[in-house]
Amino acid sequence: DTEVTQTPKHLVMGMTNKKSLKCEQHMGHRAMYWYKQKAKKPPELMFVYSYEKLSINESVPSRFSPECPNSSLLNLHLHALQPEDSALYLCASSQDNYSGNTIYFGEGSWLTVV
Amino acid sequence: AQKVTQAQTEISVVEKEDVTLDCVYETRDTTYYLFWYKQPPSGELVFLIRRNSFDEQNEISGRYSWNFQKSTSSFNFTITASQVVDSAVYFCALSEFTDYKLSFGAGTTVTVRA
Repeated sequence: DTEVTQTPKHLVMGMTNKKSLKCEQHMGHRAMYWYKQKAKKPPELMFVYSYEKLSINESVPSRFSPECPNSSLLNLHLHALQPEDSALYLCASSQDNYSGNTIYFGEGSWLTVV
Repeated sequence: AQKVTQAQTEISVVEKEDVTLDCVYETRDTTYYLFWYKQPPSGELVFLIRRNSFDEQNEISGRYSWNFQKSTSSFNFTITASQVVDSAVYFCALSEFTDYKLSFGAGTTVTVRA
């Protein structure tokens, strides 16, 4: 079983809705990530938090807003999304964000924007 | 430029056949790390193996084995006596010392038929 848990598993939202994806890990990891994955494509990095501070934003539109309340939790706030934002959103964590650390992924949240 | 190439898009085999997934990488770093992940239809990316550039020993874990050859920049993955539960998308990934972010290959979809 994965040690990175994500909720909800499935989310359907309208383009005017505000929703949040949640992620939790209890491995003591200090780096946490959000990835976006479209069908039949590899995951694409969106954000990296290191020691609870945002260290990487891969030019993600502002309608996606990450938040790291503490070292175990990571949220992704969603507002005014477009249908093309429909995808699998994967949360992940690693011991820190240095090269070579294994990144462990959660089960993902399947998002559909209607 | 593509750092990780998985030339096989889809592989279909009958149960108990062996299947080998190719992975070719490109980097100028002398220190780097290679990974394989499995993604079943449920969506979770499951970590399978991590290998650093200084360790060329092949590895076997149950029915899984990996062949790392720096001379050909390849890190191939073999599933022996495949089972239906092996059906998934398999991603090869690279993390470089100078760029710790994971670079994924396009993935290979393996279908094992009973």
